[in-house]
Amino acid sequence: GAVVSQHPSRVICKSGTSVKIECRSLDFQATTMFWYRQFPKQSLMLMATSNEGSKATYEQGVEKDKFLINHASLTLSTLTVTSAHPEDSSFYICSARGVREGDTQYFGPGTRLTVL
Amino acid sequence: AQKVTQAQTEISVVEKEDVTLDCVYETRDTTYYLFWYKQPPSGELVFLIRRNSFDEQNEISGRYSWNFQKSTSSFNFTITASQVVDSAVYFCALRAPDYGQNFVFGPGTRLSVLP
Repeated sequence: GAVVSQHPSRVICKSGTSVKIECRSLDFQATTMFWYRQFPKQSLMLMATSNEGSKATYEQGVEKDKFLINHASLTLSTLTVTSAHPEDSSFYICSARGVREGDTQYFGPGTRLTVL
Repeated sequence: AQKVTQAQTEISVVEKEDVTLDCVYETRDTTYYLFWYKQPPSGELVFLIRRNSFDEQNEISGRYSWNFQKSTSSFNFTITASQVVDSAVYFCALRAPDYGQNFVFGPGTRLSVLP
């Protein structure tokens, strides 16, 4: 299967700082990338979808000014949590889909964000 | 109403038992895709299977098998002779035009396989 990496795997930051999470497709070109958020013992909630070179499409209730998404190349998307607060603490997971991969999304290993 | 339902929140079995995880989905579309993913304690989602709505053949892959029944909108997953390493949260997901072609995940079933 296709490989998606995420960096960092864990991050702890102070309230008010910004955190950037990178998502890379390692062996395929990701025309579409997705960002999810997962609270403990809950399912994945889609935050936004981004196509390479386009602005991200955010799900209802997700603040686009707080969660900045950039999909500048076919192998890299970034999520920046701006002015993070403790309630932003969560597990953030990216996934990627390419033309060759059809409808299957491949997921990164996730990033655990803790905001103190 | 949930678009993808996984009725079992948690299941515990003893090693070597067979276990079936249920998934019921809801869509008005005739063309759609169903998926199962495994999320072990490490957190990474592992792709297990993709099935399109026109393929109702059941599939077997080693100890894993899937039963797709369009008539009941179900896509159940069976693990035969379970092992401790099967312990994880399992998510069923649906991709359909109804939902903008995005994945809709079920709430997940936490499977614990005891030695």
